[in-house]
Amino acid sequence: QVQLKESGPGLVQPSQTLSLTCTVSGFSLTSYSVHWVRQHSGKSLEWMGRMWSDGDTSYNSAFTSRLSISRDTSKSQVFLKMNSLQTEDTGTYYCARLTTPFDYWGQGVMVTVSS
Amino acid sequence: DIQMTQSPSSMSASLGDRVTITCRASQDIGNYLSWFQQKPGKSPRRMIYGATNLAAGVPSRFSGSRSGSDYSLTISSLESEDMAIYYCLQSIQYPYTFGAGTKLELK
Repeated sequence: QVQLKESGPGLVQPSQTLSLTCTVSGFSLTSYSVHWVRQHSGKSLEWMGRMWSDGDTSYNSAFTSRLSISRDTSKSQVFLKMNSLQTEDTGTYYCARLTTPFDYWGQGVMVTVSS
Repeated sequence: DIQMTQSPSSMSASLGDRVTITCRASQDIGNYLSWFQQKPGKSPRRMIYGATNLAAGVPSRFSGSRSGSDYSLTISSLESEDMAIYYCLQSIQYPYTFGAGTKLELK
């Protein structure tokens, strides 16, 4: 069945780089897009970007040039890298396949930015 | 960016009540509107896509509608398992943007 699972460090120091991995199973990254969505604690959801099935990417301009999404199709993994982290980047990060009529989400990974 | 203004921010209702949540888009988004449900400690789950289409496995008491730039999610007869936070999402233009959420509680 379709599954997505995020992994990465739970704690990142301010000004450092966040690296997250979304490992998918049950489908091919060359057939479906994967999105990254984050949620500040107790707050709404924020769309960050998308890895298209053809390898192209789309980003939320709010993250300007500090966000990068890439993939390794042989490992069925999508990567998120975001630099210059600040405390405001603390939250839960999700990867998701937002297809219709089924959508699939990972369980999320909690990231705290703190020294 | 397209702003999605969601109302109310919270509401309490009784079991069996009819409940409606609304999102207003700042620009034309056609029918590129989804509704998501999120329960505490869980990932979001899409309930409605294309403004009016029920997502797979979603109970038929949920429905979506559109009137101009106003989009609504209606639960025809509230059940205890529907207590959650609901978000709208526009997906016609990047960046995709979510509403601020509506917390639905039991009265």
